[in-house]
This record gives sequence, structure tokens and C-alpha cells, in this order.
Amino acid sequence: QITLKESGPTLVKPTQTLTLTCTFSGFSLSTSGVGVGWIRQPPGKALEWLALIYWDDDKRYSPSLKSRLTITKDTSKNQVVLTMTNMDPVDTATYYCAHRVATRVVYFDYWGQGTLVTVSS
Amino acid sequence: SYVLTQPPSVSVAPGKTARITCGGNNIGSKSVHWYQQKPGQAPVLVIYYDSDRPSGIPERFSGSNSGNTATLTISRVEAGDEADYYCQVWDSSSDHPVVFGGGTKLTVL
Repeated sequence: QITLKESGPTLVKPTQTLTLTCTFSGFSLSTSGVGVGWIRQPPGKALEWLALIYWDDDKRYSPSLKSRLTITKDTSKNQVVLTMTNMDPVDTATYYCAHRVATRVVYFDYWGQGTLVTVSS
Repeated sequence: SYVLTQPPSVSVAPGKTARITCGGNNIGSKSVHWYQQKPGQAPVLVIYYDSDRPSGIPERFSGSNSGNTATLTISRVEAGDEADYYCQVWDSSSDHPVVFGGGTKLTVL
């Protein structure tokens, strides 16, 4: 059974760096084809893809946020970490991590419960 | 980057059929995936690869994709189907490879 859970601060100040951790079970990020993505959702708005890391450490980022994002993995701990620099109130959102199916295209079959991050002074 | 267009809202009476569209340039050449999101919950995959259903998803949910439009069809709509629905594609040639549509709020009258 695949599960994912996001953790991190619920409140950050503008200009600070956000660090979120996705802790998962039921799969290994060393298995060929597997990936973990981060997706966020501002209150009342649509889903927005942020970043994706593959089993082979290949990484992809949303072009609009690429300069602020870093995604890493710790296979031994079954964790994926997303950092976002220079946080702004518009970054207030629920942040989800999700399991990427090992297939030729990218979609997400299991999602974490999400964590709400508020950016405010 | 690739753009997916969904109607903001769709309304349907219980027992009827709901169709939610997802428009994109030659979307028929891509694989489309659909997610259901109920208030306060994480998204749930309901259709992948245009028309496949994950285990546990009722047969009432189906999908199609051709030309410039993909469609999620929900037959015999129930009150519990009321949710936001998002389409998603993977655009391998893009620097923005994972794209979500703007979402459609399905209201069961």
C-alpha cells in the first residue's frame, strides 16, 4: 500500500525559505521509472505542478518557479524534500506530494493529504 | 507551454449523465488523466491514459480523447460525485511537462 505524507511549517514569513518533506512508504525511489512530484493549490484555485524527481535523480521544474525551487531525494529515508526560496504571500497554498506511476507518461496515482502553508508576516 | 481549458462549472441532475471537457491543441495525440477532488481532500485519480479506470473507481466514470477535446463522462450521477475535476497531460517536449487544467466544479442539482 502506497502512502505519502507532507510535513513542514504551516506559517512562513515573506522572503523566508520553505522546506517541505514528503515521507512515503509502499514503494522505493530506486525502482526504475518511479517518481515523486510536488503540486500546490492556492485556496479556491486550481492545481499547479511544481517539481518532479525521478528514480535516477533526473529533476524537472515548473519554468515559472524554477529559479526558486530545489527538489532532492533521500532514498534510504524514503523522503523527498522540496525547498522554495523567497516566499511571498501569493505562495500561500496547500502543497501536495504525489507518486508518479512508472510508465511512459507522467500522472499521479497516489497523493499525500497535503499541507497548508501560509505566508504572512 | 501547453494549455488545457476546462469549463468552470457543470451542473447535472441525479441519475443523468455529466460530461466534463478538457480542451487543448491536438490533445488527442496526448494521454489525458483525470482527478476528482472533494472539498478539503486530496485529488484522487479517476481516469488515466484517456479511458482507463484505477481499481475502486466505479464503471460510471469513463473517458475519451480525440482531436482537440478530451471528455470525462460520469453516468448515473450521484450526489457523492459532486466535486472539482481536473484534467492533466504530460507534454514531453515542453519545458513545462506536467500540465493541469483549470478545473471544473461539478454540481449535482
